[in-house]
Amino acid sequence: DAKTTQPNSMESNEEEPVHLPCNHSTISGTDYIHWYRQLPSQGPEYVIHGLTSNVNNRMASLAIAEDRKSSTLILHRATLRDAAVYYCILNNAGNMLTFGGGTRLMVKP
Amino acid sequence: GAVVSQHPSWVICKSGTSVKIECRSLDFQATTMFWYRQFPKQSLMLMATSNEGSKATYEQGVEKDKFLINHASLTLSTLTVTSAHPEDSSFYICSARELPAAFFGQGTRLTVV
Repeated sequence: DAKTTQPNSMESNEEEPVHLPCNHSTISGTDYIHWYRQLPSQGPEYVIHGLTSNVNNRMASLAIAEDRKSSTLILHRATLRDAAVYYCILNNAGNMLTFGGGTRLMVKP
Repeated sequence: GAVVSQHPSWVICKSGTSVKIECRSLDFQATTMFWYRQFPKQSLMLMATSNEGSKATYEQGVEKDKFLINHASLTLSTLTVTSAHPEDSSFYICSARELPAAFFGQGTRLTVV
């Protein structure tokens, strides 16, 4: 699976929107873009995924660039419970997911 | 979404003993499950792929005789850490796919003393 690049950490204020970027310049046409998050001392949690079009669900929105070489996870109103490590992962084969370093999101009250 | 349940959440064992960790898919069948290990302040590293009814596939550097994996049914995979040593202390996490998403257990914190 192709590699992704994310900032190591980001800060946000509570109740403000958060935009978490991910670069994946070597993405292939069949790669899905997945986002997972891991709260402290827990297993990762599925957030959202997409292929080409922007996606919305109850947790977040995923904005995918037209060339698919980057994407942005959008949390519309950050809460303290959103403080976690967010992983952007490319996957196309239904096999294991390969985790990079992710972005540690800190939310300030 | 689908639910993957992992048990126990934490375990403390003496050096030289064995520990079994269970991973269940509660509302879907999983012919394949994945076992990860995570050391403090590091990302998840894949240890092995567990296949129902056949042998597991281990990643390079993971000792198959030390980390025994059994996937006897479509909803249960177990990881047994044999002859555990302090360096095996880690956070172990299982996962199963309900395509296209992956779902993860709560993790098991193993401490070997």
